[in-house]
Amino acid sequence: KQEVTQIPAALSVPEGENLVLNCSFTDSAIYNLQWFRQDPGKGLTSLLLIQSSQREQTSGRLNASLDKSSGRSTLYIAASQPGDSATYLCAVGTGANSKLTFGKGITLSVRP
Amino acid sequence: SAVISQKPSRDICQRGTSLTIQCQVDSQVTMMFWYRQQPGQSLTLIATANQGSEATYESGFVIDKFPISRPNLTFSTLTVSNMSPEDSSIYLCSVRREGSGEQYFGPGTRLTVT
Repeated sequence: KQEVTQIPAALSVPEGENLVLNCSFTDSAIYNLQWFRQDPGKGLTSLLLIQSSQREQTSGRLNASLDKSSGRSTLYIAASQPGDSATYLCAVGTGANSKLTFGKGITLSVRP
Repeated sequence: SAVISQKPSRDICQRGTSLTIQCQVDSQVTMMFWYRQQPGQSLTLIATANQGSEATYESGFVIDKFPISRPNLTFSTLTVSNMSPEDSSIYLCSVRREGSGEQYFGPGTRLTVT
């Protein structure tokens, strides 16, 4: 059974700092890995999708990497802004239907 | 991406009643998913709904409690039956893009059971 872990549960940083959010998973036989953002009381916004054959994906100030052999992914946020404050969820897709297993998320607060 | 809407956005319900949540997608999709997010927890998959067939439920979820309909390729409903306070959660609808497998989520329905 796939298990996804995100540590720490919460993070507070000053504006402008570059930061890395970590995600680990137990079963390396994955189909893909997706990072989401969730604002309080809202649904999920897809940030980046990495296929199992890829090592990283970039979108603007965000860069996500994937190391299947070690069961790890990182989300790098460059030059953080207060608007980046949200909960970031890592989800791993496994099996023929690419069923997603979610971590509990990291709640990020960027201080002005 | 896909644009997904859900109704209602939130509701407060009495114990023992049922609520039906609607999910509408702006394009045809093969597979739709229903998730639950309990307070302070991450998302848990309830079931996968394919058009024209019975929904597939995950361990711990049963059809009598969470009946699902999928009448066409753009619409699905999830009913939360005989509700108890433990059913208080956010319920989210999701679809997956063919090919890439990227998933998109609706805004969620915040349910409170008193």
